[in-house]
Amino acid sequence: AQKITQTQPGMFVQEKEAVTLDCTYDTSDPSYGLFWYKQPSSGEMIFLIYQGSYDQQNATEGRYSLNFQKARKSANLVISASQLGDSAMYFCAMREGFQGAQKLVFGQGTRLTINP
Amino acid sequence: DVKVTQSSRYLVKRTGEKVFLECVQDMDHENMFWYRQDPGLGLRLIYFSYDVKMKEKGDIPEGYSVSREKKERFSLILESASTNQTSMYLCASSPNGSGANVLTFGAGSRLTVL
Repeated sequence: AQKITQTQPGMFVQEKEAVTLDCTYDTSDPSYGLFWYKQPSSGEMIFLIYQGSYDQQNATEGRYSLNFQKARKSANLVISASQLGDSAMYFCAMREGFQGAQKLVFGQGTRLTINP
Repeated sequence: DVKVTQSSRYLVKRTGEKVFLECVQDMDHENMFWYRQDPGLGLRLIYFSYDVKMKEKGDIPEGYSVSREKKERFSLILESASTNQTSMYLCASSPNGSGANVLTFGAGSRLTVL
């Protein structure tokens, strides 16, 4: 079974609108972390935001926020006031446990296109 | 400011060739990872290492091996390249600890096997 599911292969949004990228996860470990990465066309993976399973508040980083709904096992990324430079692939990822090598499991990705 | 360096950005190899993909990090991280990225499949973990000379299989280790002789270097080896190994390969590293321990990625190596 997929541990991380991103159901939106592609999304098109008008500049300056807010956008929500969906991510659901599956784990039985009570300790886990959720990550979002951005991959522009140049190919590098850029870390955006992190949410720990015990964090009480939703994570925020500038225009990025993570809508963490633990009971629903969802960790959607919200980008406010989208910009042309936000056009990229976005990956949701999960790390199970807080010890050891802490490998990440990634979703399939969502390609976001911002239209002027 | 480059922290994770992958030796080759683009490679073209022939079926059956032995291929080495090199990755070096300068952040003194304990953990290093090799992922491959394919359209529609996201990133899949091939191998990872949590210490020098230590390695563990990821989700898709078949056809690959790795080497970590020094803390800063993690090599991915394709003993006999096949066309289904044409892909983008991403190396990453992370520190130990109980916090976010974000993975830092290299720029990627795009391998084409003919």
